[in-house]
Amino acid sequence: GIQVEQSPPDLILQEGANSTLRCNFSDSVNNLQWFHQNPWGQLINLFYIPSGTKQNGRLSATTVATERYSLLYISSSQTTDSGVYFCAVGPLGTASKLTFGTGTRLQVTL
Amino acid sequence: DGGITQSPKYLFRKEGQNVTLSCEQNLNHDAMYWYRQDPGQGLRLIYYSQIVNDFQKGDIAEGYSVSREKKESFPLTVTSAQKNPTAFYLCASSIWQNTEAFFGQGTRLTVV
Repeated sequence: GIQVEQSPPDLILQEGANSTLRCNFSDSVNNLQWFHQNPWGQLINLFYIPSGTKQNGRLSATTVATERYSLLYISSSQTTDSGVYFCAVGPLGTASKLTFGTGTRLQVTL
Repeated sequence: DGGITQSPKYLFRKEGQNVTLSCEQNLNHDAMYWYRQDPGQGLRLIYYSQIVNDFQKGDIAEGYSVSREKKESFPLTVTSAQKNPTAFYLCASSIWQNTEAFFGQGTRLTVV
């Protein structure tokens, strides 16, 4: 099946810093989502982005489907950004099968 | 409010007992999913359903069963055949397959 790799696995930032999280995947996809998992376990939808670029406030994401990677940018980080960020992909030609990476654990300190 | 409701939030069961986790959505979504998350890991797909009265096994279906008798409901039963049932279980739904998926708040199951 499709492989999803996220990097870095762990990241510690001071408040106000910027960061880039990366998601590499091993096959063509027709679905790619970024999620933030808060300390209570809730998965918050950040972006649905199988291709192209989107922005939402301090967050933006870019997916280059032909090169099989996606990037999540966090600017001016805040302590509330702490948590685990997951990339999940749906391989082309398969139905309803989101495969998750192992996540990037982000800690933002004062 | 539209959304996905999982209940209960926390569940404790004795080893050898079957237990059913509830998932209800009022988003009028056709597709529903169950995922399992172990500590420090990503999510793994247990079962999914694209339409009422139809469901498919995911990557780790052994020891689990589901039903889809109504569009808005997709309960998951963790049977005694599941060797390591203690985990965090998340239900999701999407309008159709391979469209944006939305998740419930999850159920933490502990088997003692």
